[in-house]
Amino acid sequence: AQSVTQPDIHITVSEGASLELRCNYSYGATPYLFWYVQSPGQGLQLLLKYFSGDTLVQGIKGFEAEFKRSQSSFNLRKPSVHWSDAAEYFCAAGIQGAQKLVFGQGTRLTINP
Amino acid sequence: DTAVSQTPKYLVTQMGNDKSIKCEQNLGHDTMYWYKQDSKKFLKIMFSYNNKELIINETVPNRFSPKSPDKAHLNLHINSLELGDSAVYFCASSPMAYGGNEQFFGPGTRLTVL
Repeated sequence: AQSVTQPDIHITVSEGASLELRCNYSYGATPYLFWYVQSPGQGLQLLLKYFSGDTLVQGIKGFEAEFKRSQSSFNLRKPSVHWSDAAEYFCAAGIQGAQKLVFGQGTRLTINP
Repeated sequence: DTAVSQTPKYLVTQMGNDKSIKCEQNLGHDTMYWYKQDSKKFLKIMFSYNNKELIINETVPNRFSPKSPDKAHLNLHINSLELGDSAVYFCASSPMAYGGNEQFFGPGTRLTVL
C-alpha cells in the first residue's frame, strides 16, 4: 500500500543547531513529494516540493530537502534553527493520476533556547 | 485576502446535535478537500470535490455530508455528533484533482463534542 512514514514523532533541538527531519515513502513509482509546516493553531503551509530533476530542493524559511531514490527518502533540513521554527512538520506524497495526497504522521519540533 | 477561509474557528456542542462548518476559497481552484486531524495530529482525508462533483469519499460515516454549492465553497454538515468527532477539521483547495498539486489549507475548525 502507498504510505508515507515519518519515523520521529518528536524532536528537540537547540536554537542555532542544525535540523534533519526524516521522511520515507512506499510507492511503486517515484511520487511527488511535499513538506508542510503547521504552526500552533494554524493551518498547513507548504515549505517545498519535489517533482523531478535536481534532487536537492530549496524551500521557504531557509529549509531544503533532498530526494534519495535509493533510500525512498525525502528528508528535510535546516542548517540553523530559530525559535520560530517550533511547529509540526508533515511530509506528504502524491502520484500522477491520483486525486489526493497521503500525509505522514507528522514530527513535532521543539526548540530549546 | 484570505485564500482559504473556514467558519467557525471553534465549535463546542453537545452529543447528538447537528452542526455545519463552512469553507470558501478565493484562489479559483477546481478542487476542494476536507481533512480530519485527530488529537495525535494525524491528518486523514475525508472528502474531495472537483468542480462541485464528489470524487473522494474515504469511509466516513454517513452522518458526515459534504455539500459544494459552487466550486469556491465546500461545506461539511455533521448529524448526531459523537464524542469521537472531536477533532480539528481542515478545508483545503488545489488547482486540480492531481497528485502533484500543492494544496492550500484553511486555518482549521476545532470541534469539541461534550
